[in-house]
Amino acid sequence: SAVISQKPSRDICQRGTSLTIQCQVDSQVTMMFWYRQQPGQSLTLIATANQGSEATYESGFVIDKFPISRPNLTFSTLTVSNMSPEDSSIYLCSVGQGFDEQFFGPGTRLTVL
Amino acid sequence: AQSVSQHNHHVILSEAASLELGCNYSYGGTVNLFWYVQYPGQHLQLLLKYFSGDPLVKGIKGFEAEFIKSKFSFNLRKPSVQWSDTAEYFCAVILSGNTGKLIFGQGTTLQVKP
Repeated sequence: SAVISQKPSRDICQRGTSLTIQCQVDSQVTMMFWYRQQPGQSLTLIATANQGSEATYESGFVIDKFPISRPNLTFSTLTVSNMSPEDSSIYLCSVGQGFDEQFFGPGTRLTVL
Repeated sequence: AQSVSQHNHHVILSEAASLELGCNYSYGGTVNLFWYVQYPGQHLQLLLKYFSGDPLVKGIKGFEAEFIKSKFSFNLRKPSVQWSDTAEYFCAVILSGNTGKLIFGQGTTLQVKP
């Protein structure tokens, strides 16, 4: 298993600003993922954070809006850029090994006014 | 597009009642199947998983799920629920050849009345 922490746990931001969310894992992991959970909806994968290379984004998500860094095997950041109220969601980091289960962080609850 | 459907969005049960939550997926290939649970104020955590072998899998806290390949289903069951089972339950799949991408169902909120 893995223990994952995220910062901040929640934030309230103004429209047009950006927020960077940090994800820290207590052990080295190959795969790190970022998900979004919009109010009343399920979790949707934003991107896979790759160590040493660009993140792999899912359809509907772009690097300019959600830049991701993965400087090492225990840390990643997700930035939500030029925010609008539609970006209000819970953002979750997870880690996993290929086709096996993933372990999730506590999430960052973002409200955009 | 591949998808996961959970039939029940909100379920209310009394303690000791039996639980069955439906989950169906749309994909013709090999899948790994998961049920996750999120208790109030806690992280999403794994209840159980199925990769291969016996289609009836047992997880934590008395939960079990049955994989029926012909029906593309992976329903979650518990014979007797407790108040502490109040939580949100998510069915999810990983498709073969789609490393790491979990596709989640919409989630089911279970409320157990004491």
